[in-house]
Amino acid sequence: DAGVIQSPRHEVTEMGQEVTLRCKPISGHNSLFWYRQTMMRGLELLIYFNNNVPIDDSGMPEDRFSAKMPNASFSTLKIQPSEPRDSAVYFCASKTEGGELFFGEGSRLTVL
Amino acid sequence: QQQVKQSPQSLIVQKGGISIINCAYENTAFDYFPWYQQFPGKGPALLIAIRPDVSEKKEGRFTISFNKSAKQFSLHIMDSQPGDSATYFCAASIGTSGTYKYIFGTGTRLKVLA
Repeated sequence: DAGVIQSPRHEVTEMGQEVTLRCKPISGHNSLFWYRQTMMRGLELLIYFNNNVPIDDSGMPEDRFSAKMPNASFSTLKIQPSEPRDSAVYFCASKTEGGELFFGEGSRLTVL
Repeated sequence: QQQVKQSPQSLIVQKGGISIINCAYENTAFDYFPWYQQFPGKGPALLIAIRPDVSEKKEGRFTISFNKSAKQFSLHIMDSQPGDSATYFCAASIGTSGTYKYIFGTGTRLKVLA
């Protein structure tokens, strides 16, 4: 299996621009999680989906952030407009019910 | 209540020594406690995990000790090796059918000196 696939791996953008991060979970996994990692705050859970339905988005920092999962094999995390404080590594992870949580390799976002 | 507190932030150990990382939680609903290992530029990967019905779990050089009454758990790395140098995260999860919430500690950066 290819694992959790995230794109882009690196993104550099300017403040105010829209950023879209993409994730393809492992086939057969029915739960998908978006995390943000920074030195100061560690791994923060932003939102997670079960069977494509958002279960908990209480970690989404503000209205500038949105996430969708239109089908079982694809999810996006969008930031609009982006700000320098959004600079972080964003991880997508997926799992089956009762199974292990697998992470992608992350998308490193730099907002100038 | 949803936090998992991890210490220390960083740790330096000599090759062959024992590395110990501690975590504490408040929410007694947590029922699964994994540890993840992360190398630079990579995503975290599951290292070892424990459920609250046992007090210890060992896999090779890695051991989790779990104290349910104190709401604490720790990772012990025996005979630490330079290849163990990585960031370690403890986590706690509430697992019910169809819904999971993994809460991570802030991480411990381990450096094992050769």
